[in-house]
Amino acid sequence: DAGVIQSPRHEVTEMGQEVTLRCKPISGHDYLFWYRQTMMRGLELLIYFNNNVPIDDSGMPEDRFSAKMPNASFSTLKIQPSEPRDSAVYFCASSLGPQGRGYTFGSGTRLTVV
Amino acid sequence: AQRVTQPEKLLSVFKGAPVELKCNYSYSGSPELFWYVQYSRQRLQLLLRHISRESIKGFTADLNKGETSFHLKKPFAQEEDSAMYYCALSPSGSARQLTFGSGTQLTVLP
Repeated sequence: DAGVIQSPRHEVTEMGQEVTLRCKPISGHDYLFWYRQTMMRGLELLIYFNNNVPIDDSGMPEDRFSAKMPNASFSTLKIQPSEPRDSAVYFCASSLGPQGRGYTFGSGTRLTVV
Repeated sequence: AQRVTQPEKLLSVFKGAPVELKCNYSYSGSPELFWYVQYSRQRLQLLLRHISRESIKGFTADLNKGETSFHLKKPFAQEEDSAMYYCALSPSGSARQLTFGSGTQLTVLP
């Protein structure tokens, strides 16, 4: 298995533009998580899905952020319009079954909004 | 609500010295605790979990319910241990999301 795959690895965009981040979880995993990592705040959970259904989006900072999971093998995190303070590394992770096994993280997308 | 506290943002030790990364948590039930490691510009990787009581890369961590701590220890630090370390908690039962601490950047000096 190639693990959790995220694209793009790096994204530089201008303020006000729409940004779409993509994630392919490990096949068979039934949970998918989106995290944001910054120096100031560390790792923040934005949203997570179970069997493609959003369960908790309380970490989504603003209405500018939205996430979808149209099927078990694909999820997107969209920011529209983007702002410089959205600059961060966005991680996707997936897991199967009981939490005791932990998550598998993707390599992350480093977003820079100028 | 659960909370994970890593009091040290930065920690430097010399090669061969013991190292301890502190993690304290607050949770009313019986949590599951984890340590994740992130080497420079790489993805986060699970280092160890308290359930398995294992030693990975010479690191160990013991869950102390009385002190609500899960400190990560290694008797002799190596330069390749330099990384960001995150402590994480998951409520036992049906909940799935991990709550992470703010992380500790460990630097092992030659």
